Amino acid sequence: AQSVTQLGSHVSVSEGALVLLRCNYSSSVPPYLFWYVQYPNQGLQLLLKYTTGATLVKGINGFEAEFKKSETSFHLTKPSAHMSDAAEYFCAVQGAQKLVFGQGTRLTINP
Amino acid sequence: EADIYQTPRYLVIGTGKKITLECSQTMGHDKMYWYQQDPGMELHLIHYSYGVNSTEKGDLSSESTVSRIRTEHFPLTLESARPSHTSQYLCASSAPYEQYFGPGTRLTVT
Repeated sequence: AQSVTQLGSHVSVSEGALVLLRCNYSSSVPPYLFWYVQYPNQGLQLLLKYTTGATLVKGINGFEAEFKKSETSFHLTKPSAHMSDAAEYFCAVQGAQKLVFGQGTRLTINP
Repeated sequence: EADIYQTPRYLVIGTGKKITLECSQTMGHDKMYWYQQDPGMELHLIHYSYGVNSTEKGDLSSESTVSRIRTEHFPLTLESARPSHTSQYLCASSAPYEQYFGPGTRLTVT
């Protein structure tokens, strides 16, 4: 069965600093991996996804993630944080019939 | 932008009332899902459907029920609302390798 662990329920960075949100997965088959963002009182929006091919995946809003099979990781990064990046971020892996989500990481941006 | 809609966006209702949360999508997706999410917390899958006349219970036990009579419509019903049902309910539909979410319904039962 697939599972996802997000390290750190809350991450705080300064505006302009590097954003790093950590995600480790477990999967018995080659994984399909996703990052979603959720702004307050809204649904989830897909940031980026990895299915096959290039292991460095670029998404919307300047985010990217790298699939590292040897480390079973799919960490999300952004070189320079913006105030508008403050939100909840969810990592997910495709299960047999549904997405399996991590617990979420709340990103706070300090001015 | 995904075309998946949920109504109402916010609902405050008294204990014992029957409610239906609406979810519609215009993308022709066969697979649809309902999640329950408390503020700032993880998502819990409560129902899903693979197509018309197909419904399954999810990972989290829920007193709600769902129906799937039309591909585009996947309503969730609570026969008798209780304060413990207070939560945010998110509907989603999926194409291969991507799930699209509606804006959610925030339900408060008083």
